[in-house]
Amino acid sequence: KAGVTQTPRYLIKTRGQQVTLSCSPISGHRSVSWYQQTPGQGLQFLFEYFSETQRNKGNFPGRFSGRQFSNSRSEMNVSTLELGDSALYLCASQGIITGELFFGEGSRLTVL
Amino acid sequence: QQPVQSPQAVILREGEDAVINCSSSKALYSVHWYRQKHGEAPVFLMILLKGGEQKGHEKISASFNEKKQQSSLYLTASQLSYSGTYFCGTEPQAGTALIFGKGTTLSVSS
Repeated sequence: KAGVTQTPRYLIKTRGQQVTLSCSPISGHRSVSWYQQTPGQGLQFLFEYFSETQRNKGNFPGRFSGRQFSNSRSEMNVSTLELGDSALYLCASQGIITGELFFGEGSRLTVL
Repeated sequence: QQPVQSPQAVILREGEDAVINCSSSKALYSVHWYRQKHGEAPVFLMILLKGGEQKGHEKISASFNEKKQQSSLYLTASQLSYSGTYFCGTEPQAGTALIFGKGTTLSVSS
């Protein structure tokens, strides 16, 4: 059973640019959540999508957005990048029976 | 609201025990525990539901005190493989977002 796949794994951008990250959940999972991980701050919740609808949203500015497609694949976009956006962005799909989260390896974004 | 984990860091020798605590200011529906090793994705350990029982697999177990909105993770007879950062995630109501604490770093040496 394939796990959660995130692309790209690493990317470098400059301030003011925008970036799109992709996440393919485990087959059959319909819920996809995104988290930002930075040293000392743990995993901060960005948003969750379920069946193409945003079900939950964290406290991030509007520059952070996401969407989910009919095949459950999800993308998140960050516009007008700032230095503070440098982080590991983790995507997780949720198990149907147990509710556990299965995390991808993450996309490491560096903003220069 | 982000749950508070304590301690922030623990250093152990193989065979020693540790307890990691997770507290929330809100009533909780569930508490999840995950472990993340350096450079890897977080991995699910267990989930405790409101009204549920203490869970565990052999040497790693957890409890959930609904009245105090607290959960504790117990690691007994620690092994080198237990090293990593442990995160608790709390869910105030079913279907709401899972909010994680800042993590507890556990280092086990031989």
